[in-house]
Amino acid sequence: GENVEQHPSTLSVQEGDSAVIKCTYSDSASNYFPWYKQELGKRPQLIIDIRSNVGEKKDQRIAVTLNKTAKHFSLHITETQPEDSAVYFCAASSQGGSEKLVFGKGTKLTVNP
Amino acid sequence: DAGVIQSPRHEVTEMGQEVTLRCKLISGHNSLFWYRQTMMRGLELLIYFNNNVPIDDSGMPEDRFSAKMPNASFSTLKIQPSEPRDSAVYFCASSLYGGSPLHFGNGTRLTVT
Repeated sequence: GENVEQHPSTLSVQEGDSAVIKCTYSDSASNYFPWYKQELGKRPQLIIDIRSNVGEKKDQRIAVTLNKTAKHFSLHITETQPEDSAVYFCAASSQGGSEKLVFGKGTKLTVNP
Repeated sequence: DAGVIQSPRHEVTEMGQEVTLRCKLISGHNSLFWYRQTMMRGLELLIYFNNNVPIDDSGMPEDRFSAKMPNASFSTLKIQPSEPRDSAVYFCASSLYGGSPLHFGNGTRLTVT
């Protein structure tokens, strides 16, 4: 089955700096890669997703890149703000959507003011 | 729309007791997912339904766990008998269809003493 590895497990940056979180996946058939943000004590919320027919996607300060050959994808947050502090999860699915999503273990991002 | 609604938010019970977690889907959504979140194992998919039919229950830990979807908008996850290792946050999530993004509920924090 699919296995998703996520690094780093914790990341601390200064406000205004960029943050990068990386994930690798094992199933070459995976074709849907969402990222979720979970604030302390709250539910995971989708922040961006990418499908395998696209190499990069941006939404304001957030971008995701996908390298299908290397089977890895990354989340980039620019101009970080304290409210970006949260746990971020990557996930992968070979079903093209929410079915059979396998999540990474998460990255705790702390943005220091 | 109120989003995915879970109840109770917190449940504390003694080992051996039956626990029932409840979930109301977003109106119009056809896919329903139950996840369990722990520090050690992260987010794990337990079971998912499409159009009220269980599609994949391979993540259900053992026979003590059962899930039902008696109608298109409601689901229950039951643990009987409960054990301390079942302590976790249980999330219900729904999607419009299998290929669309997940929307999580606020979770039920279960503590089994």
